[in-house]
Amino acid sequence: DIQMTQSPSSLSASVGDRVVITCQASQDITMHLNWYQQKPGKAPKLLIYDVKTPETGVPSRFRGSGSGTNFTFTITSLQPEDVATYYCQQCDDLIGTFGQGTRLDI
Amino acid sequence: EVQLVQSRAALKKPGESLRISCRASGYLFNNYWIAWVRQMPGKGLECMGIIYPGDSDTRYSPSFQGQVTMSADTSLTTAFLQWDSLKASDTATYYCVRQSMRNSLDIWGQGTVVVVSS
Repeated sequence: DIQMTQSPSSLSASVGDRVVITCQASQDITMHLNWYQQKPGKAPKLLIYDVKTPETGVPSRFRGSGSGTNFTFTITSLQPEDVATYYCQQCDDLIGTFGQGTRLDI
Repeated sequence: EVQLVQSRAALKKPGESLRISCRASGYLFNNYWIAWVRQMPGKGLECMGIIYPGDSDTRYSPSFQGQVTMSADTSLTTAFLQWDSLKASDTATYYCVRQSMRNSLDIWGQGTVVVVSS
């Protein structure tokens, strides 16, 4: 199985801050990396697929980058509604595996 | 509208059986993998496995092999997740999710809460 190591596990930031979350794969997954947002009490939502392609309707402040084994998720200007837990997921395998999640507070 | 609607919450006792459902609408059910994702209370997301309704090809994550059974009924456009003998450790929220052609999980059901307690 491909293991995904996500960091940090939690972070607190202020409105307007730039927030960065990283995700490392245990082996090369090329560009097969997705990012999800889960707000409290809700189902997760796909934000970014294939490392950097935003899902339809996702605000432009959410960005993804990276390749191979190292990936980064950035919120360029944090908004109050971004309070959530964020997960990376590799989809190089048919059954994807998730990172441990990053809980983001304001 | 593309959507997945899951069955209601379930409260069961250890040793009981359970089948939860996930009804798809708004797209060609046969042509997309459906994944099941577990979220234990206060924990992260775990992919349990996937099923391709078109031919019932099913793949389980090693941690869940032999613990659950996935199935699909194309006439009902519904996927199922089944336990034969529940344990307290099965207490969790279970999501069904459509896997897109790019292998991202793009459409999520609302989740089914399963509580197993004596």
